[in-house]
Amino acid sequence: DAKTTQPPSMDCAEGRAANLPCNHSTISGNEYVYWYRQIHSQGPQYIIHGLKNNETNEMASLIITEDRKSSTLILPHATLRDTAVYYCIVRPSGSARQLTFGSGTQLTVLP
Amino acid sequence: GAVVSQHPSWVICKSGTSVKIECRSLDFQATTMFWYRQFPKQSLMLMATSNEGSKATYEQGVEKDKFLINHASLTLSTLTVTSAHPEDSSFYICSARTGTNQETQYFGPGTRLLVL
Repeated sequence: DAKTTQPPSMDCAEGRAANLPCNHSTISGNEYVYWYRQIHSQGPQYIIHGLKNNETNEMASLIITEDRKSSTLILPHATLRDTAVYYCIVRPSGSARQLTFGSGTQLTVLP
Repeated sequence: GAVVSQHPSWVICKSGTSVKIECRSLDFQATTMFWYRQFPKQSLMLMATSNEGSKATYEQGVEKDKFLINHASLTLSTLTVTSAHPEDSSFYICSARTGTNQETQYFGPGTRLLVL
């Protein structure tokens, strides 16, 4: 699976948009980009995933660059409860393999 | 959405005893379940993959005789830590996938194990 690179930490003011970047320059054409987050002492929570088109759901938006070498997860109005470690993961479509977690980005939403 | 539960949420046991952790998919059938382990300030590490009705596949370095995994039904997988030792103290998280065409993995809330 393609390797991803994320900043280790970010801060965001409450109520503002949180933009979390992820580089995946070696991504293959059939690999999806998944985002999960893990709030302290809880299991990871699925947020969103996409292949090449931008995606939006009730939690977040996912913006994937045209060359698919990077993506950005956007939390439009961050709250204190969004403080968590955010993981960007790429995995091939149809793969039976598990998700492999890197070190992620610790997002801290400040009051 | 798909919900995965784990029981117990935390357990304290004496060294040498065995501990069983249950993982259930509550509103979907999980053909594949995964068990992860997470030590403090570290990321999740996959321990094993189990498919319903077949033997689990363990990652390198994970002792299959120590971490017994049973996936007897499409909604239940169990992890038994046998002869637990203090170094087995960790946060154990299970995950389930809904099917081959829906690849999203959903995670349980985790079980914190403390071995004294």
